[in-house]
Amino acid sequence: AQSVTQLGSHVSVSEGALVLLRCNYSSSVPPYLFWYVQYPNQGLQLLLKYTTGATLVKGINGFEAEFKKSETSFHLTKPSAHMSDAAEYFCAVIKAAGNKLTFGGGTRVLVKP
Amino acid sequence: GAGVSQSPRYKVAKRGQDVALRCDPISGHVSLFWYQQALGQGPEFLTYFQNEAQLDKSGLPSDRFFAERPEGSVSTLKIQRTQQEDSAVYLCASSLGRDPYEQYFGPGTRLTVT
Repeated sequence: AQSVTQLGSHVSVSEGALVLLRCNYSSSVPPYLFWYVQYPNQGLQLLLKYTTGATLVKGINGFEAEFKKSETSFHLTKPSAHMSDAAEYFCAVIKAAGNKLTFGGGTRVLVKP
Repeated sequence: GAGVSQSPRYKVAKRGQDVALRCDPISGHVSLFWYQQALGQGPEFLTYFQNEAQLDKSGLPSDRFFAERPEGSVSTLKIQRTQQEDSAVYLCASSLGRDPYEQYFGPGTRLTVT
């Protein structure tokens, strides 16, 4: 069975500071990896995904993530936080050739002015 | 449509009542998924359709939960004899099927069982 671990259920950053959200997965086969963002009372929006190819993936809103197979990690970063980045972020995986997403527990980001 | 829509957005049910939650996927999307998101947690998979065929229902928590997609487009998730532990946000997602790994989510239905 796959699991996804997000370290830190809450992260507080200052506006303009680096955002770093950690995600580790457990899988015998490297899965496909995703980051989603969820704003209050809204559904999930895809930020970025890794399926194959380049391990550094760029997404929307200035976010990027790097797939590190040796560390079974897929951490999400943004160089400079904006107030609009305040939301909950979910890391998720799909087993290759699978269909259902398995999500981590989420990390809520608070951005301080 | 522009995106996945779900109705109702909010539902309050008394314990023991039956509820039906509707999902309208993006037009042309072959695959449809239901997830359950409890308060403060990540979504958990419930079931998956490809067209009208329900290919995976391994996540349905009990036989009180039933989902259908009779014509391969709109889907309904039905919960019979609701219990308090059923209180959650129910998310629907759809995908093209050619790239099943990119799922587009609706806004969810928040179910509260009192």
